[in-house]
Amino acid sequence: AQTVTQSQPEMSVQEAETVTLSCTYDTSESNYYLFWYKQPPSRQMILVIRQEAYKQQNATENRFSVNFQKAAKSFSLKISDSQLGDTAMYFCAFPYYNQGGKLIFGQGTELSVKP
Amino acid sequence: ETGVTQSPTHLIKTRGQQVTLRCSSQSGHNTVSWYQQALGQGPQFIFQYYREEENGRGNFPPRFSGLQFPNYSSELNVNALELDDSALYLCASSLQRGLPEQYFGPGTRLTVT
Repeated sequence: AQTVTQSQPEMSVQEAETVTLSCTYDTSESNYYLFWYKQPPSRQMILVIRQEAYKQQNATENRFSVNFQKAAKSFSLKISDSQLGDTAMYFCAFPYYNQGGKLIFGQGTELSVKP
Repeated sequence: ETGVTQSPTHLIKTRGQQVTLRCSSQSGHNTVSWYQQALGQGPQFIFQYYREEENGRGNFPPRFSGLQFPNYSSELNVNALELDDSALYLCASSLQRGLPEQYFGPGTRLTVT
């Protein structure tokens, strides 16, 4: 079964500092994608960053980067220079193609950025 | 480019009633997925529609049904509402079936009393 696990229900970080959110997953597939989504209090789920499993290079989008360890099935998100607007729930997600490409989400990590 | 839109924003229903939620996909996207997000949880996949046909279904009972229209907009219908159906319902669209990225709407908050 495809599973996604986020073991940190809540985290906090001071503005301008760096924080890392953890995610592990389980799959028998060899080629796949992984995503981090952000859900602020406004509820809109926003795609933050994607990683393709066949690419060894870790994805980067401005202040957001991932540490993808395929053998360990680990996919962590690093947020550098944290800003107040980064306060949100963060979900790790895995698209499962055998069921119409549904996204399997982790339980989420609630990140608070403090001034 | 218009993003994914959903209506209504909030809805209150009584147990046993029926509800219809609506979604307009992002411009050019032909695949729509629906998710249920209970408070404090990650979204759970309900089903996906591609070119007006169901293209995958999660572990939800038949009283959850859907439609997709020729313009790719979609409806989620829930019959015989139960208290546990109270949740945020999210619609997501993707450019093509099989492409992994899904773009979400703002959701409909359903409360069943």
